[in-house]
Order: sequence, then structure tokens, then C-alpha cells
Amino acid sequence: ETGVTQSPTHLIKTRGQQVTLRCSSQSGHNTVSWYQQALGQGPQFIFQYYREEENGRGNFPPRFSGLQFPNYSSELNVNALELDDSALYLCASSSAGTGGTEAFFGQGTRLTVV
Amino acid sequence: GESVGLHLPTLSVQEGDNSIINCAYSNSASDYFIWYKQESGKGPQFIIDIRSNMDKRQGQRVTVLLNKTVKHLSLQIAATQPGDSAVYFCAEKPTGNQFYFGTGTSLTVIP
Repeated sequence: ETGVTQSPTHLIKTRGQQVTLRCSSQSGHNTVSWYQQALGQGPQFIFQYYREEENGRGNFPPRFSGLQFPNYSSELNVNALELDDSALYLCASSSAGTGGTEAFFGQGTRLTVV
Repeated sequence: GESVGLHLPTLSVQEGDNSIINCAYSNSASDYFIWYKQESGKGPQFIIDIRSNMDKRQGQRVTVLLNKTVKHLSLQIAATQPGDSAVYFCAEKPTGNQFYFGTGTSLTVIP
């Protein structure tokens, strides 16, 4: 186990709704990254948070937003859900001091949009 | 955009044999290359990484080779075991905070 926990593990939403996914980072880690993994594909970087600030963003629209809290846990919010948002959402925590290559992933949240 | 590709989408090996998983990358400026293992229903698990100024790095039963001339990365698993069955991803990290993942190779170990 990595110590990174995500909730919920599975979720079904209707197109147009909004969703919030949560991630608790590993103890001692101050950086959280979020990824979207479509079926049969590699994870795609959404954004990263470091010390409560967005610290890099991938090619995702503004309806994907996030937060990081003082305890370094994080939320991913997606507004106006589309069918193509159905995927496994992964968060990864790391410590910026290590250069950030050894990121520890949670088990993911499987989001299905119908 | 970045392009990280794998030569083979699936690989089957006999238990005890060595496995080699290959990966091509496109960004010459990448600082780090990382291999992840993802088992069904789980998130990716870090295996090993290598910096761009190295050409080989060894871990426990795994070796990563980096050939910058042809932009090629490989993961060698010695004495493959059934527990090694998973999807393996290579990822590259150019300057900045974003990892670019390939599409994955599914490794099946035949007992």
C-alpha cells in the first residue's frame, strides 16, 4: 500500500452534473498530481498542486479544477460532466524535495458518466 | 505534444525467463524516465527511474536501459514471476511537473 487514499472508489454521474473526487496524500508529501486514465490508455496529467497552489496543468479544460488543503489533501472537481469524462482518476503524491519522480499513486476513482 | 510509445502492446513470457519491455520517447529534453507497474484495479506503482545523464540503472530484479541516441528506453525483468503480470508504463518527465505516460504493455507470465 502506498498510503495514498482516494474516495470514492466508484461513482456514477449523469451528463451535465458536477463531481468532486478526494485524495489524501502520503504522510510527509506536499505535492499532489491528478491524472485521468481512459480504458486501455496511460494516465494523462490534469494538474499538480504544491503548497495549496496549482503548479502545472495539462491539456484539460477549465471545468477541471482542484484544491489542495493545508494538510496536503486534495480535491478534483469536474463541472458539466461529459460522457468522455468516464475514466479512472488517479492522484499521486510526492515530495518536491526528491525531485518528484517517485510519485505514489492511489488506487483511483472509477467515474462513469451516463 | 509529447509522444511516448511502446513497441509491443502485449508480451507473454514463461515463468523464470527474463522479460524485456521497450519504449520509445520523443522529447530529447526529458530529465527523467520512469517505469510504472499497474495491476488490475490498482494505481500505477513506481518501479525504477533513470536520469537522462545515465544509460543504465539496476534495481531488485529490474534493469532500465536508456539509449538517448535512438530515444529508446527498456525495462528488463530477471527471472519473471507470476506476480510480475501487469501493465507496464514508461513515462518521461521533461523540465516541469508533468509526466507523459505511454499507452502500456501488458505482461503475462505463463506458469
